[in-house]
Amino acid sequence: KNQVEQSPQSLIILEGKNCTLQCNYTVSPFSNLRWYKQDTGRGPVSLTIMTFSENTKSNGRYTATLDADTKQSSLHITASQLSDSASYICVVSLVSGGYNKLIFGAGTRLAVHP
Amino acid sequence: NAGVTQTPKFQVLKTGQSMTLQCAQDMNHEYMSWYRQDPGMGLRLIHYSVGAGITDQGEVPNGYNVSRSTTEDFPLRLLSAAPSQTSVYFCATRGLAGETQYFGPGTRLLVL
Repeated sequence: KNQVEQSPQSLIILEGKNCTLQCNYTVSPFSNLRWYKQDTGRGPVSLTIMTFSENTKSNGRYTATLDADTKQSSLHITASQLSDSASYICVVSLVSGGYNKLIFGAGTRLAVHP
Repeated sequence: NAGVTQTPKFQVLKTGQSMTLQCAQDMNHEYMSWYRQDPGMGLRLIHYSVGAGITDQGEVPNGYNVSRSTTEDFPLRLLSAAPSQTSVYFCATRGLAGETQYFGPGTRLLVL
């Protein structure tokens, strides 16, 4: 069964600290892996997209890694800010019927405190 | 350039009532889709469309209908609302060759 699991479910850190969010997946055939940020009451916004051949991609203070062999990804946030408080969703894409099908994780809710 | 817009932002329905959730985009994207988001679960695909006149079912289509008469609009219809349809609904779009998906702000639906 195609699944995406994220950990931890929730996380509290102090402003300025770093953190790492985890994503494990059992999706086949793999097309790409995406990380989204979802602010409370808003729609998800894309942070990074990585294909099978990419193992690192950065977007400002956000760095995503991908290990296609172990089917694991992580999102590292550097020097956290209050505005980083949000849910972070890992999404794995597979090719199905000629189109990309997206499998969503349940997300990690991050709270950054002053 | 408004991107993806959804109306209404919030709606309360009684069981058995019908309603239409609106989604519009001005990015000329071929692919449009509807998701529902429930607590503790990932977004689940309801219906999607790869162009005007073409729609298909997603993971959880029961109780929902869609149509795509124009590139810009992709309404989602609830024919007879049930409490199990209480959720937050997101519309999303992308180009057929594009990977980045753009989400609307969501519609929060409560069915009593």
